Amino acid sequence: EAGVVQSPRYKIIEKKQPVAFWCNPISGHNTLYWYLQNLGQGPELLIRYENEEAVDDSQLPKDRFSAERLKGVDSTLKIQPAELGDSAVYLCASSLGAEGYNEQFFGPGTRLTVL
Amino acid sequence: KQEVTQIPAALSVPEGENLVLNCSFTDSAIYNLQWFRQDPGKGLTSLLLIQSSQREQTSGRLNASLDKSSGRSTLYIAASQPGDSATYLCAVRTASKLTFGTGTRLQVTL
Repeated sequence: EAGVVQSPRYKIIEKKQPVAFWCNPISGHNTLYWYLQNLGQGPELLIRYENEEAVDDSQLPKDRFSAERLKGVDSTLKIQPAELGDSAVYLCASSLGAEGYNEQFFGPGTRLTVL
Repeated sequence: KQEVTQIPAALSVPEGENLVLNCSFTDSAIYNLQWFRQDPGKGLTSLLLIQSSQREQTSGRLNASLDKSSGRSTLYIAASQPGDSATYLCAVRTASKLTFGTGTRLQVTL
């Protein structure tokens, strides 16, 4: 069974440019998460989806970040415009449901470098 | 607010040694605790998940324990190998979110 798929794996852009990341969760997983991981730190939650609904986006910087999961399956995270401080790894994860006992499975991440 | 601390931040051991990584958390109202491995430039690989009602989990040379009341978990790696070199992250799940520590960077030398 395929795991969580993310693309691209690496992205280099200049500041002020837009960028988008794509995630396809494990089949049947209703809950999807986007995390941000800065160098030397643990991942931090940006947004959580239950099917197509964003149920926790309190940590998403809404002035420049946006996300969607239109059909409740794959998801896109966008940054517009990107800033130097956005250089990080963006991880997507999924789980069967949002209940606390459900294990989260992580994708390989997208490493963003903003020049 | 849940805070997760991992000690040590970095560790270097010779091949064959047994070692222990530590994780502590401030809020004991957790659903579970997970240990992950992360190789440079890679995503997270789940190693062990311990539900709040459990005391330990084992997988091969890895053993993770959980003492929820004291807010502590340990990851024991037996007979370490160079291939174990990676960053090990622990994460605790509360009702609302998964909170990660900053990791222990392990290097196993020949």
